[in-house]
Amino acid sequence: QSVLTQPPSVSGAPGQRVTISCTGSSSNIGAAYDVHWYQQLPGTAPKLLIYGNSNRPSGVPDRFSASKSGTSASLAITGLQAEDEADYYCQSYDTSLSGSVFGGGTKVTVL
Amino acid sequence: EVKLVESGGGLVQPGRSLRVSCAASGFTFDDYAMHWVRQAPGKGLEWVSGTSWNSGSRGYADSVKGRFTISRDNAKNSLYLQMNSLRAEDTALYYCVKGFRPNDYGDYFDYWGQGILVTVSS
Repeated sequence: QSVLTQPPSVSGAPGQRVTISCTGSSSNIGAAYDVHWYQQLPGTAPKLLIYGNSNRPSGVPDRFSASKSGTSASLAITGLQAEDEADYYCQSYDTSLSGSVFGGGTKVTVL
Repeated sequence: EVKLVESGGGLVQPGRSLRVSCAASGFTFDDYAMHWVRQAPGKGLEWVSGTSWNSGSRGYADSVKGRFTISRDNAKNSLYLQMNSLRAEDTALYYCVKGFRPNDYGDYFDYWGQGILVTVSS
């Protein structure tokens, strides 16, 4: 059981908008620690997608956006494309565990 | 170009030890925290351990605390993970990961190696 909770899967047609939630608690997201998101394409290492709750590294398309509120965060993909089919993970820091924590991951399927 | 290259993985029997290494290049190694993140076959990501830029702070996941030791050699631009008392549930792809900050707490991971497979089985 992951400390951060994500839906196992979401799906959408090309061009649609999908969102992925990441629910934490008062010892991680709710304790004002930032949330970060990673994209893992099939058979590859994860890649940083969003850092500091809502910031995109250079090279990440602006179709990807994220936000944080209270003990939760969310990632949105607008204008869904076939190449977005991947696993997505949220990550934060947990003060009770004194370490980084990940969500269980969400598989995005493009219909 | 940032490069992180893991080595030292393989098949090991339960209860035995193994050390995996990571050679870093393309950035000023001793300016940043470094971490190990693992992924069991078909499973999600799990943060294993992190060390601050000067090894002054080291953190571990509860699942490996007391069995694994992270270390770094800034002179050699290298990161290590000594794994003792290995269990079947430690079987995973182990990623060497660069932190964005000098300290390991509250950090995030901006570059990842390709990973090295550790299989614990008799």
